[in-house]
Amino acid sequence: GAVVSQHPSRVICKSGTSVKIECRSLDFQATTMFWYRQFPKQSLMLMATSNEGSKATYEQGVEKDKFLINHASLTLSTLTVTSAHPEDSSFYICSANSLGAVNTEAFFGQGTRLTVV
Amino acid sequence: AQSVTQLGSHVSVSEGALVLLRCNYSSSVPPYLFWYVQYPNQGLQLLLKYTTGATLVKGINGFEAEFKKSETSFHLTKPSAHMSDAAEYFCAVRPSGFQKLVFGTGTRLLVSP
Repeated sequence: GAVVSQHPSRVICKSGTSVKIECRSLDFQATTMFWYRQFPKQSLMLMATSNEGSKATYEQGVEKDKFLINHASLTLSTLTVTSAHPEDSSFYICSANSLGAVNTEAFFGQGTRLTVV
Repeated sequence: AQSVTQLGSHVSVSEGALVLLRCNYSSSVPPYLFWYVQYPNQGLQLLLKYTTGATLVKGINGFEAEFKKSETSFHLTKPSAHMSDAAEYFCAVRPSGFQKLVFGTGTRLLVSP
């Protein structure tokens, strides 16, 4: 199956700093990538939809100035958590749909555990 | 709006017993349906999917699910549980024509020896 690589898998940062998380589709082109946040023992909460070459679409309640998303190419989307605070600590997961495929499954990255201290 | 209901946040079975994880969805038209598994601190791995055609879908690791339109259900089963099946399972739907997935709240499967 298709592979989505997410990096880093774990990151610890100081409060007030910014953290960038990368999501790469390794063997396919992804016009659309999704960013999720998952709280402990809970389901995935969609944060935003990232489209290559255009602005991301954020879900209601998600601060777009805090969670900056860039989808500069068909294989890379990045999520930057700006001015991170302890409440931003969470598990972040990306997924990607392959180009032109609507009815196939989304491919997920391994997730990034962010801890803000 | 689409929604997915997974009955039971936890399901406990003994090794070798039948596994049944329930999933119901709300949709005016049949969506695409998926089951994903998540191991601790990892992303999601696809177990199986239903798009069109045969309503009984077989997936990896011996899992299968049956799409029942009349019941708006897509329950996941496995005849004999293995210790390695202990994980979190998510049912998800994708409305026809859309790319966004809607997830259920997840069911944690516990397998005892």
